[in-house]
Amino acid sequence: EAGVAQSPRYKIIEKRQSVAFWCNPISGHATLYWYQQILGQGPKLLIQFQNNGVVDDSQLPKDRFSAERLKGVDSTLKIQPAKLEDSAVYLCASSPNSGRAYNEQFFGPGTRLTVL
Amino acid sequence: GENVEQHPSTLSVQEGDSAVIKCTYSDSASNYFPWYKQELGKGPQLIIDIRSNVGEKKDQRIAVTLNKTAKHFSLHITETQPEDSAVYFCAASRIYGQNFVFGPGTRLSVLP
Repeated sequence: EAGVAQSPRYKIIEKRQSVAFWCNPISGHATLYWYQQILGQGPKLLIQFQNNGVVDDSQLPKDRFSAERLKGVDSTLKIQPAKLEDSAVYLCASSPNSGRAYNEQFFGPGTRLTVL
Repeated sequence: GENVEQHPSTLSVQEGDSAVIKCTYSDSASNYFPWYKQELGKGPQLIIDIRSNVGEKKDQRIAVTLNKTAKHFSLHITETQPEDSAVYFCAASRIYGQNFVFGPGTRLSVLP
């Protein structure tokens, strides 16, 4: 079974520029999560989708961050404009919502963003 | 909201020794406590979890204990091996599998 795919793996941008990250969850997984992991800290949930609907975006800085999950499959997270404090690893995870591990979260390798 | 603390932040043990990582949480309504292992350049991977109706769970060399009264839970790794070296995160949530609040992580180094 293929895991959660993310791209790009690394991105370096100047502050005030825009950036987008892409995530393809495990096939059939209904729930998709985006996390921000700042160096030396645990992941922090930004947004959770159930199919193509938003379940929780309470910690998403909506003035600059946006995310979508068209057709309930892959997802894109965008930052516009980026700030220095956005430098972090952005992790995507998915859950099957059925079967034995129905709510276990499977994480992708992450995208490391550096804002200069 | 929920706050999860984790200690120690770094831990070095000799190969074959045991390692213990402790977490405390603040929200008494939390009822699901997973532990994740994160290797360099990879995403976190679930290694064991426990629900609030269970006090202890074991899977080979890994065990987790939960004290709901004191609001703390611990990860125990016995007979450590070099491949156990990684960053370990605890988390807590009110809803199984959702809305995780992660601890800050423990960097475990197993010395050969």
